[in-house]
Amino acid sequence: KQEVTQIPAALSVPEGENLVLNCSFTDSAIYNLQWFRQDPGKGLTSLLLIQSSQREQTSGRLNASLDKSSGRSTLYIAASQPGDSATYLCAGLNAGGTSYGKLTFGQGTILTVHP
Amino acid sequence: KAGVTQTPRYLIKTRGQQVTLSCSPISGHRSVSWYQQTPGQGLQFLFEYFSETQRNKGNFPGRFSGRQFSNSRSEMNVSTLELGDSALYLCASSLLGTDTQYFGPGTRLTVL
Repeated sequence: KQEVTQIPAALSVPEGENLVLNCSFTDSAIYNLQWFRQDPGKGLTSLLLIQSSQREQTSGRLNASLDKSSGRSTLYIAASQPGDSATYLCAGLNAGGTSYGKLTFGQGTILTVHP
Repeated sequence: KAGVTQTPRYLIKTRGQQVTLSCSPISGHRSVSWYQQTPGQGLQFLFEYFSETQRNKGNFPGRFSGRQFSNSRSEMNVSTLELGDSALYLCASSLLGTDTQYFGPGTRLTVL
């Protein structure tokens, strides 16, 4: 059974800092891993998806990496801005026919970027 | 392209009632997944539908059910509501169920 853990649970940084959010998973039979952000009371916005065959993906100021052997993924945010304040969630999709559409989520990291 | 839409956005029900939530996926997406989000349990997978067939189901009681129509729109139903069913219900669509999932804004269900 896949379990996903995110550390830290909350993070507060000043504007302009580079930061790293961590995600670990217990089952290396992972097909892909997605990072999302969620604003209060809203749905999830997809940020990046990394396939199991990839090591990293980049979009603007965001860079996500995936290391299956160690069961870890990181989300790197460069030059953070107050608008980046949100809850960040990672979610894994396992390989195998019984995993269709089933993302296993971590509990999230609440990020606050203060001016 | 229009995003994933969910209706209604807010619902208030009383214990014992039943409720139906609707999800319209992104045009061309055939997979729809449903999730329940609560402060205590976080996001938990309910079920996934693809081309009108349920391919995957999470660990929820039989009171939670769903279906998908030929146009890929999906509904989920919760019967005999309990206080613990109060949650944000999110649906997500994807092309195949193994690629990027795009989420709707959710339906906030409150059970009194």
